Amino acid sequence: QSALTQPPSASGSPGQSVTISCTGTSSDVGGYNYVAWYQQHPGKAPKVMIYEVSKRPSGVPDRFSGSKSGNTASLTVSGLQAEDEADYYCSSYGGSNNFPYVFGTGTKVTVL
Amino acid sequence: QVQLQESGPGLVKPSETLSLTCAVSGYSVSSDYYWGWIRQPPGRGLEWIGSIYHSGITNYNASLRSRVTMSLDTSKNQFSLSLVSVTAADTAVYYCARLPYTYEIDYWGQGTLVTVSS
Repeated sequence: QSALTQPPSASGSPGQSVTISCTGTSSDVGGYNYVAWYQQHPGKAPKVMIYEVSKRPSGVPDRFSGSKSGNTASLTVSGLQAEDEADYYCSSYGGSNNFPYVFGTGTKVTVL
Repeated sequence: QVQLQESGPGLVKPSETLSLTCAVSGYSVSSDYYWGWIRQPPGRGLEWIGSIYHSGITNYNASLRSRVTMSLDTSKNQFSLSLVSVTAADTAVYYCARLPYTYEIDYWGQGTLVTVSS
């Protein structure tokens, strides 16, 4: 049950966009449309920002968007704001034999 | 409003058993969904520990399976985690969580730090 691969860091200036990748395998990311993205500020519990690859929970700004191509999912944050600086983790359902979960390695997003 | 709250010792000795409970309010654990545990070592990423279905069926991370047990207590509307033979590597913030059938974690507990040390 290997972790999904994310870049350790990403950055952008206020107003710019940043995209984070999340690479898995055909057994998780590529096999199911159950990819989620979480935002975690220091000392806080994570918060879901995207689920089912591209859906936003109520209350999440539309600046956050998700997509998937093959075994790689992506999170894009447009119009970066200072409060977007946080750690971001992806996750994927891994099927009944690997149920139910694998997380990504995490990406620190810095707003310059 | 669904709320989850972890409780248990903050300090456990090496080789002993870590036991945590997650009290749930605003939703019945026996009604539906998966209920899970996640941990995060200091300064590191999230690790899935396992889940228990509302029916009581469990699934555990393969790397922890030999040491983990999860259970439901429907009378108290809570679920529990037991991790035996702990070492310093089990030091982490432990979160309990709820997963609907779309497999995102929609509700998290606030997390509780468990330190393994003599």
